[in-house]
Amino acid sequence: DADVTQTPRNRITKTGKRIMLECSQTKGHDRMYWYRQDPGLGLRLIYYSFDVKDINKGEISDGYSVSRQAQAKFSLSLESAIPNQTALYFCATSVVTQDETDTQYFGPGTRLTVL
Amino acid sequence: KQEVTQIPAALSVPEGENLVLNCSFTDSAIYNLQWFRQDPGKGLTSLLLIQSSQREQTSGRLNASLDKSSGRSTLYIAASQPGDSATYLCAGYNTDKLIFGTGTRLQVFP
Repeated sequence: DADVTQTPRNRITKTGKRIMLECSQTKGHDRMYWYRQDPGLGLRLIYYSFDVKDINKGEISDGYSVSRQAQAKFSLSLESAIPNQTALYFCATSVVTQDETDTQYFGPGTRLTVL
Repeated sequence: KQEVTQIPAALSVPEGENLVLNCSFTDSAIYNLQWFRQDPGKGLTSLLLIQSSQREQTSGRLNASLDKSSGRSTLYIAASQPGDSATYLCAGYNTDKLIFGTGTRLQVFP
């Protein structure tokens, strides 16, 4: 079984709809992240969380919100989807090891299309 | 603005060639650097992580180097195979965030 799972894997929706993307992990990591990937732009950080009560904005948080329901779950919401939010969304987890290495592990991605 | 640049954007080579993918970063605060592989429609697979105290890491046919003074990292792939075809992303760690490059799309043909 995958350590980092995302649901749904694909979603097509209409402008103005509320959408929630979910991420679950079995790695026991404290840190979780949401990224979006657009052609030619690489991955950009939307939000991240270092603990259940910790939420931080990333580079492109406008139009998005998140919820860290438990250590293992981190959800991304689009309150009112718009077409330029069409992208591939990735969840990632990490933990800082004793040697202070912080390696991120990625989920399989959710392809979101907003019409 | 922090930037991570990857050159070339795309590369097509015959099987068996040794090749080098380049990654450069402008932010001297980047301390660790990670190389990922992404297959079409799939997630990211971590290939190599180079910590700031290291100069290179090796895994099988892959070797990654890091030169913080010049803001450069290279990924060397020896004896390339068609199964190496994918997009390769480098990402630098700055404080608690990963800054990604835009990737190099590699095609290895038989």
